[in-house]
Amino acid sequence: QQQVKQSPQSLIVQKGGISIINCAYENTAFDYFPWYQQFPGKGPALLIAIRPDVSEKKEGRFTISFNKSAKQFSLHIMDSQPGDSATYFCAASDSNYQLIWGAGTKLIIKP
Amino acid sequence: NAGVTQTPKFQVLKTGQSMTLQCAQDMNHEYMSWYRQDPGMGLRLIHYSVGAGITDQGEVPNGYNVSRSTTEDFPLRLLSAAPSQTSVYFCASSRALGGELFFGEGSRLTVL
Repeated sequence: QQQVKQSPQSLIVQKGGISIINCAYENTAFDYFPWYQQFPGKGPALLIAIRPDVSEKKEGRFTISFNKSAKQFSLHIMDSQPGDSATYFCAASDSNYQLIWGAGTKLIIKP
Repeated sequence: NAGVTQTPKFQVLKTGQSMTLQCAQDMNHEYMSWYRQDPGMGLRLIHYSVGAGITDQGEVPNGYNVSRSTTEDFPLRLLSAAPSQTSVYFCASSRALGGELFFGEGSRLTVL
């Protein structure tokens, strides 16, 4: 029940296209859903986060869509650029604040 | 502004050896944590600390020890290295438990 399942494991998108990464969870007590971005040789860095009181949050080209009833949330990257090539992790936490992480998605944007 | 600094970046150990991974942050963050990252498994929490003198176990604490004598430093000790501890280790800090995590650049450990 503590798992966060992330898909796909890897994703190749053409430059200018839309990248979509999905995550699903079981624990209905989760109330914070961040996405972290990791470049090779670096640590993860917070990209965008959402709480379940809203269904969507947008920051620039990055959007989180949240479906509370389906217990799913997704990251959409619009107009994907080669600089977006990285590994993306979804995560979730409840009132204990400890993050449960997805397995990661390696995104490659082809020029 | 260094953020979170980890040393060493690379280390090779033989089975049974001990070593300490160092982590220091200069942001005056109360919360610090250690994760290991393995392919296909995301990040798994090893140990964490909510302040100087306070530590607690995470998801995968066996084989690792930590201490937090100062706000700035949070070393991770491997007591008797095993091949299963081959991984990339990340230290992270945040202002408080549940806040945005700031990660170091990682320490790649290989145990032969």
